[in-house]
Amino acid sequence: AQSVTQLDSQVPVFEEAPVELRCNYSSSVSVYLFWYVQYPNQGLQLLLKYLSGSTLVKGINGFEAEFNKSQTSFHLRKPSVHISDTAEYFCAVSESGSARQLTFGSGTQLTVLP
Amino acid sequence: EPEVTQTPSHQVTQMGQEVILRCVPISNHLYFYWYRQILGQKVEFLVSFYNNEISEKSEIFDDQFSVERPDGSNFTLKIRSTKLEDSAMYFCASSNQGLKNSPLHFGNGTRLTVT
Repeated sequence: AQSVTQLDSQVPVFEEAPVELRCNYSSSVSVYLFWYVQYPNQGLQLLLKYLSGSTLVKGINGFEAEFNKSQTSFHLRKPSVHISDTAEYFCAVSESGSARQLTFGSGTQLTVLP
Repeated sequence: EPEVTQTPSHQVTQMGQEVILRCVPISNHLYFYWYRQILGQKVEFLVSFYNNEISEKSEIFDDQFSVERPDGSNFTLKIRSTKLEDSAMYFCASSNQGLKNSPLHFGNGTRLTVT
């Protein structure tokens, strides 16, 4: 069965600093990986996804993530954050043989400080 | 940009009552999902729906839950006899071609409070 671990429940960072949100997954088969963002009182919005091919994936709002199969990780990065990036970020995995459902991590609250 | 819309945004109900959560998926989407997030916990998969039938469901989705697409636009989740532990944020999602080829588009959620 697939699972996702987000080690950091809260990440405070100053504006214009870089940030990395960590995600590790567990699966016995090949997977699809996703990062979603949830702004206050809103739904989940897809930031980026990895299905296959290049291990470095670029998403919206300047975010990128790197798939590392040997470390079973899919960390999210941004070189310079803005106040507006304050939100909850969820890593999610779907095993490629079951393309209908996502398993989510517990989320990381990113707070960007002025 | 088309959106998934959910109503109501907040529903309060008494234990044992039936509740129906409503969703209008994006109009040309074919796959529909319900997820829930209990406060402080992970977002959990409940059920997926395609071609007017359930495709997959989790162990959470027991006989108290049902889904329906009563017309061409709505997708509903019914809980027959609510329990305190059903209190959660319920998210509806839809996609065009299944997860591999198109992302899930989520609604803003319905916060269900069972008292």
